[in-house]
Amino acid sequence: AQTVTQSQPEMSVQEAETVTLSCTYDTSESDYYLFWYKQPPSRQMILVIRQEAYKQQNATENRFSVNFQKAAKSFSLKISDSQLGDAAMYFCAYSVWETSGSRLTFGEGTQLTVNP
Amino acid sequence: GAVVSQHPSRVICKSGTSVKIECRSLDFQATTMFWYRQFPKKSLMLMATSNEGSKATYEQGVEKDKFLINHASLTLSTLTVTSAHPEDSSFYICSASRVTGELFFGEGSRLTVL
Repeated sequence: AQTVTQSQPEMSVQEAETVTLSCTYDTSESDYYLFWYKQPPSRQMILVIRQEAYKQQNATENRFSVNFQKAAKSFSLKISDSQLGDAAMYFCAYSVWETSGSRLTFGEGTQLTVNP
Repeated sequence: GAVVSQHPSRVICKSGTSVKIECRSLDFQATTMFWYRQFPKKSLMLMATSNEGSKATYEQGVEKDKFLINHASLTLSTLTVTSAHPEDSSFYICSASRVTGELFFGEGSRLTVL
C-alpha cells in the first residue's frame, strides 16, 4: 500500500522568508502523481502544486516550488517570500492515475505559521 | 475554475437519526466522486469512491451500511450517515473528478451528533 509521510507536524516562518516542508512516500509504482494541498482555516482544500513522476523537471507555481527526488521518494515544498496568507495546514498527497479518477492518499499534514 | 458544492456546510442531529450530505459539481460532469472524513487537526481519510450509476467502492474498515453513498447523476453524489452516533461527528469532504482526472474539492460539511 502507498503511504505518505510528513515528519513536521508544525513549522513556522517569518514573513518574506523561505520555508521548506518535507514529504516522503512509499510506492512500488513507477508512474504516479504527487501533490501539495493547502487547507486554510476555512477547511477548503486548495491545490498548490502538482508533479508527474515521469517528469524530471521540478514543478513551480509562482512562489511555490518542489524538490522531487524520485529515487529517494522525496517531495518537498519550498515557499519563497512567505506571506501571511500562506498560513495553513499543508498536505502532501499521492495518487496513481486511474480511469475512474484520482484516489488521493494524504500525509498527516504540516501546520504552517507565518509570523509578521 | 470548476466548483464543487457541498450542502449542508454544518449539521447538528440527534443520536439515532440519519443525515444526508450532498456533493454537487456545478459546472462540469463528474465521472467519479470521492468522500473523505477528517478529524480535527488530522489528515483526510478516504471513505469511498463513487461512480455514476454504480455501487460505491468503500475503503477497508468503512461500514457501507452506516455510510450510504449514492451517485445518481453525473453532478450529484450523496452521503447518508445512518443511525448517527456521537462518534460519527466529523468533517466530511467530497471531491469530484473530471474525465481528465482533474480533481476539485467541496467546502466540506461539519456533522455534530448529540
